[in-house]
Amino acid sequence: GDSVTQMEGPVTLSEEAFLTINCTYTATGYPSLFWYVQYPGEGLQLLLKATKADDKGSNKGFEATYRKETTSFHLEKGSVQVSDSAVYFCALSGSGGTSYGKLTFGQGTILTVHP
Amino acid sequence: DTEVTQTPKHLVMGMTNKKSLKCEQHMGHRAMYWYKQKAKKPPELMFVYSYEKLSINESVPSRFSPECPNSSLLNLHLHALQPEDSALYLCASSPTDLDSQSYGYTFGSGTRLTVV
Repeated sequence: GDSVTQMEGPVTLSEEAFLTINCTYTATGYPSLFWYVQYPGEGLQLLLKATKADDKGSNKGFEATYRKETTSFHLEKGSVQVSDSAVYFCALSGSGGTSYGKLTFGQGTILTVHP
Repeated sequence: DTEVTQTPKHLVMGMTNKKSLKCEQHMGHRAMYWYKQKAKKPPELMFVYSYEKLSINESVPSRFSPECPNSSLLNLHLHALQPEDSALYLCASSPTDLDSQSYGYTFGSGTRLTVV
């Protein structure tokens, strides 16, 4: 079945540091890939998405590129802020059989940014 | 209106109580979802409604009973829950279940449920 593997956290950075959170996936067909962010005490917000190979999703300074050859969708940001502290989930939406349209999540990565 | 609204935000209930969670969206979405999220874990899919009909039940115990009275509203009826059912319950929607593959979901803020 479909699966998503995220780098283990927590990740602790100083403000203005470079951020990378690794995400790799296993899926049949042509999944869509997403990054969701969850701030403390809140639901999930869609951060960015990519629906086909080589697409780059971007939002609020975050970027991720859909790499089919390495089955990866790594999240990057050039300069993090304290307000970016949250839990980040990589997810895929399958395109094959019973996985169609269902979101499969990675385990989540806790990011803490210090001033 | 681009929101999914969930009520209540917090709920404490005894194991013999009956309660309901409510989810509402006015985006014209025809697919709605219930997810359960335990602390420090990713959300787990419980139910999918497509055009007001239950299309997926991920083997959820019968003490959880979903209902979709119309295209904007989704309820989750709770009865005889156990303490291990304490979690954040998230509702989500997408234009259709097929469109969710490219659109993704819009999530609500969740109901934090504590069973005592």
